[in-house]
Amino acid sequence: DVKVTQSSRYLVKRTGEKVFLECVQDMDHENMFWYRQDPGLGLRLIYFSYDVKMKEKGDIPEGYSVSREKKERFSLILESASTNQTSMYLCASSGQARPNTEAFFGQGTRLTVV
Amino acid sequence: GNSVTQMEGPVTLSEEAFLTINCTYTATGYPSLFWYVQYPGEGLQLLLKATKADDKGSNKGFEATYRKETTSFHLEKGSVQVSDSAVYFCALIFYGNNRLAFGKGNQVVVIP
Repeated sequence: DVKVTQSSRYLVKRTGEKVFLECVQDMDHENMFWYRQDPGLGLRLIYFSYDVKMKEKGDIPEGYSVSREKKERFSLILESASTNQTSMYLCASSGQARPNTEAFFGQGTRLTVV
Repeated sequence: GNSVTQMEGPVTLSEEAFLTINCTYTATGYPSLFWYVQYPGEGLQLLLKATKADDKGSNKGFEATYRKETTSFHLEKGSVQVSDSAVYFCALIFYGNNRLAFGKGNQVVVIP
């Protein structure tokens, strides 16, 4: 079974902390994505990576950074957590874009910043 | 840019009712289109897809047809069950472009 695994289902962090969200995929996919999901706003792309050490900003990159040192792992970093970053974070991966390419998602990390 | 629009608001219906969720897209060219489903407490999973005009994707009793003339990909199911209660997302991707664009999603609640 193909799998995208996020390191935590639930996290509670304090304002100002540096937070790491980890994502690992076992499908040898080139592309990996971080989204946040908020009620009424759907999925918004934070960052994505199409190769090791490569990254591109999504729609809402402010306050976030990413790291992709190995093909299977994509980390999202909140440099200084704030309460408005309380959200559900979803990681996804996909192969190179072809007509049948689909994305596979992790189960999500619900982050609460207090 | 490329975007996906889904009908506003949650959808509440009775078991065995007919379900339609509207999805339209704005794109230059011809993307591949997807419907994803998110069950409570889980991540998204692919429900169905279509890669060219007039293709029909189907799975678990759900269907959607890629309509180029109306730039639409509406999701339908003839008889819903309580287990279909979930959030449904429409999405698109272009061949050669790695970025997947999503609609805002629709919460579907099926009442016994």
